[in-house]
Amino acid sequence: KAGVTQTPRYLIKTRGQQVTLSCSPISGHRSVSWYQQTPGQGLQFLFEYFSETQRNKGNFPGRFSGRQFSNSRSEMNVSTLELGDSALYLCASSPTLQGGTGELFFGEGSRLTVL
Amino acid sequence: AQSVTQPDIHITVSEGASLELRCNYSYGATPYLFWYVQSPGQGLQLLLKYFSGDTLVQGIKGFEAEFKRSQSSFNLRKPSVHWSDAAEYFCAVGARAGNMLTFGGGTRLMVKP
Repeated sequence: KAGVTQTPRYLIKTRGQQVTLSCSPISGHRSVSWYQQTPGQGLQFLFEYFSETQRNKGNFPGRFSGRQFSNSRSEMNVSTLELGDSALYLCASSPTLQGGTGELFFGEGSRLTVL
Repeated sequence: AQSVTQPDIHITVSEGASLELRCNYSYGATPYLFWYVQSPGQGLQLLLKYFSGDTLVQGIKGFEAEFKRSQSSFNLRKPSVHWSDAAEYFCAVGARAGNMLTFGGGTRLMVKP
């Protein structure tokens, strides 16, 4: 079974630009979560989608948004990029359980550098 | 608000030695508890989880963890460390519904030959 696939793996943007990151979950997984990982703040929860609906949201500004499609693939978007948005963005999918279990299967991440 | 503390940022052990990584959590109800491992340039992999029941849980790669409610701890152990165990280890806590996890700051494990 294929794992969680994230694209692109690496990207460089400049301040003020926007970026879209993509995540394809494990087949059959309907929950997709996004996390930001930085050396200073560690791993922080961004949001979770289940069946195309945002189920949970972390404490990030509105510049960070996401969506999920009917095939469970998910995208996250960051607008008006700031230097502090440089990070590894991790996507994780979870088995299909209504309430969720916290058992996350992570992709290898998209490393964003903002110059 | 829930939180997770991993007091040790770096730990170095000799290959073959035993290992214990500490994790303390703060959570208002009975939590779901997890240990994840991250190898360089990789995503995170679930090592083990505690939901309820037996407080000693077994995971993959020979790891185990013990939930101690009285101490709000969920320490990870391995009796004999292998060089391939060198990685960063994250403890996490989650609610009983949903997949929103709060992670600790991580412990980077180095293994001496």
